[in-house]
Amino acid sequence: ETGVTQSPTHLIKTRGQQVTLRCSSQSGHNTVSWYQQALGQGPQFIFQYYREEENGRGNFPPRFSGLQFPNYSSELNVNALELDDSALYLCASSLDGTSIEAFFGQGTRLTVV
Amino acid sequence: DAKTTQPPSMDCAEGRAANLPCNHSTISGNEYVYWYRQIHSQGPQYIIHGLKNNETNEMASLIITEDRKSSTLILPHATLRDTAVYYCIVRVALYNFNKFYFGSGTKLNVKP
Repeated sequence: ETGVTQSPTHLIKTRGQQVTLRCSSQSGHNTVSWYQQALGQGPQFIFQYYREEENGRGNFPPRFSGLQFPNYSSELNVNALELDDSALYLCASSLDGTSIEAFFGQGTRLTVV
Repeated sequence: DAKTTQPPSMDCAEGRAANLPCNHSTISGNEYVYWYRQIHSQGPQYIIHGLKNNETNEMASLIITEDRKSSTLILPHATLRDTAVYYCIVRVALYNFNKFYFGSGTKLNVKP
């Protein structure tokens, strides 16, 4: 148990729809990163939030957006879903933006049909 | 934009040492090498990390070559529960910003 919780655990959406995934970071952690893991591949960095602001982004289009709240929990929003968005979405929390260790949640399995 | 290269799979006999190699030939001087593992598509679990020197903890040892272009994760006495996908990762750390570059991972099969 890492203390990082994600919801929901599984989700099925239709192409073109919008989805919101949620992450509760470990207590005291102010930094949350999101990763997309396609089947059989390693996780790919989407973006990072530090103290409620996005401070880094990977190679993902603008329809991938996020929020971080004052309690440092976070949301990942994906608009106009495509079939290729089907993946395991992982969030990782860390004490701050340069902490040694990042703690991952169990992920949300998104299937787009 | 993966910065690491790993063999896709390896086998190891239970009780023997598992040596997992990783190439990271483009690593920069201030980038760390991390290892995480992932069991059955659960969230990745931290194992160990290092910059230049070899490191050891209760789970594993990390051997980094002097030129830092490759490393080896060693599980000294593999058990069946160590069967997982092991990711070698380069961590880029800037001011208040952390990014892990995951490779494709090595599926370690520990056999009785």
